Amino acid sequence: DARVTQTPRHKVTEMGQEVTMRCQPILGHNTVFWYRQTMMQGLELLAYFRNRAPLDDSGMPKDRFSAEMPDATLATLKIQPSEPRDSAVYFCASGTDTGELFFGEGSRLTVL
Amino acid sequence: GESVGLHLPTLSVQEGDNSIINCAYSNSASDYFIWYKQESGKGPQFIIDIRSNMDKRQGQRVTVLLNKTVKHLSLQIAATQPGDSAVYFCAETTDYKLSFGAGTTVTVRA
Repeated sequence: DARVTQTPRHKVTEMGQEVTMRCQPILGHNTVFWYRQTMMQGLELLAYFRNRAPLDDSGMPKDRFSAEMPDATLATLKIQPSEPRDSAVYFCASGTDTGELFFGEGSRLTVL
Repeated sequence: GESVGLHLPTLSVQEGDNSIINCAYSNSASDYFIWYKQESGKGPQFIIDIRSNMDKRQGQRVTVLLNKTVKHLSLQIAATQPGDSAVYFCAETTDYKLSFGAGTTVTVRA
């Protein structure tokens, strides 16, 4: 059963530490999205890729966040340095040009 | 039961009744719309989609209606069941970019 895999599922860290979240998209999918979900802001689009090329990362604080796709099987979202306001659930989703997006189970980040 | 999406983010419905969840989208250029269901502790899950060249699409117990004139989308759930309790999001797509609405929390009363 194909699915998007995210690691870690839970992460607790201290302010100032680097955090890296990883995502394995579904094989054959050519679009990958990173979303952040909080109670206050809902689901916010941070960045997305098509055929591994970044199309839009305007939703991401550039000074501390970075998103990459080193290869077709791995997408990463890095926060350095992390801050308490970054605490949220981060979702990765993958899809194709013409179809639905499939979401992973999310990475719950707590920055103390 | 019926909601107006962003303005009434919760909907309580009696088990067995029909539910209607409404959503107003913002971009008239959006060409693809999706409804997602999110249960507690899980990622959003696809329910049904509709393209801008259609005004209605039916699935199993669910129907999506699209009114492009007023930029309005609705999700109808027939014979609502306890397993339908979740947060429902509408999403619109423009140039591969999927943007989500605020979500409506649906609670099914036994």
